[in-house]
Amino acid sequence: AQSVAQPEDQVNVAEGNPLTVKCTYSVSGNPYLFWYVQYPNRGLQFLLKYITGDNLVKGSYGFEAEFNKSQTSFHLKKPSALVSDSALYFCAVRRLNTDKLIFGTGTRLQVFP
Amino acid sequence: GAGVSQSPSNKVTEKGKDVELRCDPISGHTALYWYRQRLGQGLEFLIYFQGNSAPDKSGLPSDRFSAERTGESVSTLTIQRTQQEDSAVYLCASSSNVATNEKLFFGSGTQLSVL
Repeated sequence: AQSVAQPEDQVNVAEGNPLTVKCTYSVSGNPYLFWYVQYPNRGLQFLLKYITGDNLVKGSYGFEAEFNKSQTSFHLKKPSALVSDSALYFCAVRRLNTDKLIFGTGTRLQVFP
Repeated sequence: GAGVSQSPSNKVTEKGKDVELRCDPISGHTALYWYRQRLGQGLEFLIYFQGNSAPDKSGLPSDRFSAERTGESVSTLTIQRTQQEDSAVYLCASSSNVATNEKLFFGSGTQLSVL
């Protein structure tokens, strides 16, 4: 079975500061890891994924995530936050490419001007 | 169509009634998911269809919930004898190539309110 944990319900950051949204996973074997974002009154959108290769993955809107196998983590990062980044962020994992995709409980990011 | 389409967008029903929610995935997408999102909470996996394989129903919360998919097209999620705790947004998503972990495309959801 696979699972994913997002330990923070909410993250607050000032505009222009770096941001980190945390995610840890539990899966047997090699994980496939994803980040999705849900903007207010809009559908869920894909941000980035880690399948194999470089541990640092770059995605949409300037976001990146770092896969750390020893810490079983896949934290989402951005060097300089924008107010428009305020949204609900979901980490997701699957064990095999044919498996269901399991989402975390979400982290609300609030960027203050 | 251009995206995943769900209908109705809103559904208000009385406790004890049955409801049927519809999802039209993107044409050619072999994988289809149903998730539930309660107010202010995360995405709860319900059921997953992948091609002609038997669906993964492990997330269905009770036997009042069922879902069908005809081939690689439309899917319907049925909730029988609705309860107030069924109130949530029901999201459908589809993806093209599972083997390469292609991203999921989500519909706008059906907001279900059980009175």
